[in-house]
Amino acid sequence: DQQVKQNSPSLSVQEGRISILNCDYTNSMFDYFLWYKKYPAEGPTFLISISSIKDKNEDGRFTVFLNKSAKHLSLHIVPSQPGDSAVYFCAASRYNFNKFYFGSGTKLNVKP
Amino acid sequence: DAGITQSPRHKVTETGTPVTLRCHQTENHRYMYWYRQDPGHGLRLIHYSYGVKDTDKGEVSDGYSVSRSKTEDFLLTLESATSSQTSVYFCAISGRTSYGYTFGSGTRLTVV
Repeated sequence: DQQVKQNSPSLSVQEGRISILNCDYTNSMFDYFLWYKKYPAEGPTFLISISSIKDKNEDGRFTVFLNKSAKHLSLHIVPSQPGDSAVYFCAASRYNFNKFYFGSGTKLNVKP
Repeated sequence: DAGITQSPRHKVTETGTPVTLRCHQTENHRYMYWYRQDPGHGLRLIHYSYGVKDTDKGEVSDGYSVSRSKTEDFLLTLESATSSQTSVYFCAISGRTSYGYTFGSGTRLTVV
């Protein structure tokens, strides 16, 4: 039973617009969340994180929002660039448990 | 990626044969993980290690075993390969929870 879900397998947006990727989780004990980006034939790379004591974390064009009551997080990319085209995975863990559960990924295509 | 290497990068093997994948790190991280990536399932944890000779099962451990005799090496063995184990396998390392994992480049395994 998947504890972390990404219900949109793919997303297509125009360059310069906002990309919003969504992620839901079922385990209320999760308190640390990550987003990873993956290009074909490469391993996933860390993008941004958020802990449950925050509801927002920003890093340049990337912002992650956490809604604990809804068990939902989202990644916003503004403005989207063609180089952002990749598969994005969200992951969740109980802090200090050092074991992350991943969603199934969302493939983002940013059109020039 | 620098600090973590997987070998081989590609392998084709026959059903019923044993296969060993190797993960090598130069970061001296305590935690090491094996994940498999499959369409629609994302990344699923097979086994992980929290120190030399200390390992534990993940979500999809049936048919797999691991060993860690040195800090730098984590081996994943498919005892008798089956077609359902055709997948891309990723090794990951972690030394600090706040940065999640660093992933290797992956091993594409095909069982025919």
